[in-house]
Amino acid sequence: GESVGLHLPTLSVQEGDNSIINCAYSNSASDYFIWYKQESGKGPQFIIDIRSNMDKRQGQRVTVLLNKTVKHLSLQIAATQPGDSAVYFCAGSGSPGSNYKLTFGKGTLLTVNP
Amino acid sequence: DAGVIQSPRHEVTEMGQEVTLRCKPISGHNSLFWYRQTMMRGLELLIYFNNNVPIDDSGMPEDRFSAKMPNASFSTLKIQPSEPRDSAVYFCASSLAGTYTQYFGPGTRLTVL
Repeated sequence: GESVGLHLPTLSVQEGDNSIINCAYSNSASDYFIWYKQESGKGPQFIIDIRSNMDKRQGQRVTVLLNKTVKHLSLQIAATQPGDSAVYFCAGSGSPGSNYKLTFGKGTLLTVNP
Repeated sequence: DAGVIQSPRHEVTEMGQEVTLRCKPISGHNSLFWYRQTMMRGLELLIYFNNNVPIDDSGMPEDRFSAKMPNASFSTLKIQPSEPRDSAVYFCASSLAGTYTQYFGPGTRLTVL
């Protein structure tokens, strides 16, 4: 079955720096990936998503990169701000045509130092 | 849009008691998911409904857990009897049928003493 995991459980950056959060997945048939942000005491909040037919997708201050060859996903946050401090989860879909469940990684804690 | 609504936000109960968690999905969403989050195991999918019908309950830990969705705007997750190891944050999420993006509620923090 598919699994999604994270390389780094914690990441500490200075305010204004760029952050990169990494994620590995195991199911080469996964066709959809999504990043969530979870602040303390809240539910996961959608940040950005990407389909497997894309290598890169940009949002406001965030970019997701997908490398299907090595089954790796990353989230880049530009000019990191204190409000970006949270746990970030990647999630991947199952094989196409299966169902619409997502498998979540265990999360990376991002701490932004002022 | 009010988003996904969960109640209660916090629940403290004693071992052996019945616990009922409630969820109201986003209006118009056809799929509903119940998750459990712990530090040790992360975010685990318990059960998934589509158009009020349970599609996959393979994540439900054991018979003490049950979930229902009597209509499109309401779902419950029940634990009976509760045990200390059930202590966790339980999230409900909803999505439009045929899409992957799930929208999460604020969660219910359950503590079983």
